[in-house]
Amino acid sequence: GNSVTQMEGPVTLSEEAFLTINCTYTATGYPSLFWYVQYPGEGLQLLLKATKADDKGSNKGFEATYRKETTSFHLEKGSVQVSDSAVYFCALDAGGTSYGKLTFGQGTILTVHP
Amino acid sequence: NAGVMQNPRHLVRRRGQEARLRCSPMKGHSHVYWYRQLPEEGLKFMVYLQKENIIDESGMPKERFSAEFPKEGPSILRIQQVVRGDSAAYFCASSYSVGGPETQYFGPGTRLLVL
Repeated sequence: GNSVTQMEGPVTLSEEAFLTINCTYTATGYPSLFWYVQYPGEGLQLLLKATKADDKGSNKGFEATYRKETTSFHLEKGSVQVSDSAVYFCALDAGGTSYGKLTFGQGTILTVHP
Repeated sequence: NAGVMQNPRHLVRRRGQEARLRCSPMKGHSHVYWYRQLPEEGLKFMVYLQKENIIDESGMPKERFSAEFPKEGPSILRIQQVVRGDSAAYFCASSYSVGGPETQYFGPGTRLLVL
């Protein structure tokens, strides 16, 4: 079946540090890949997405590249801010339905200190 | 425009009791999705409903779990005779129409603890 594996957290960084959160997946076919962010007390929000191999999704300074050869979709940001502290979820949509049936990783807690 | 609301945010039940989780979709949304996140695991799809219809319940446990989305009122996820293994975070999402994940807006989740 489909699965998503994220690096174990929590991740603690100082402001302006470089961020990488690893994500690898297992899926049949050609899934679409997503990163979601959940701020304290709020629902998950779509952060970025990529729908085919070598696509790069980007938003708010975050980037992730769809690597089919390594089945990975690692999240990166060059300089994190305190406001980036949240839980980050990697997810895939394996397709085959019209409504987006998502498979998520376990989430990575990021804490950024001033 | 209020987002997706879930209540209660935290729910404690003893084994054998019933748990009712409510999800109020965004205004104008008629599609609801429920996901469950067990400890140390990712969110797993449970069920997809449209108003008064269950479209896909392939992720729902076969026993004790049921979901509904009536014509009026919130969507309800009902767990009968809860067991400790039901302790998890339950998330719902809603969308205006059928479409990909980009159309789904998520609520903050209900944390269920079974003692």
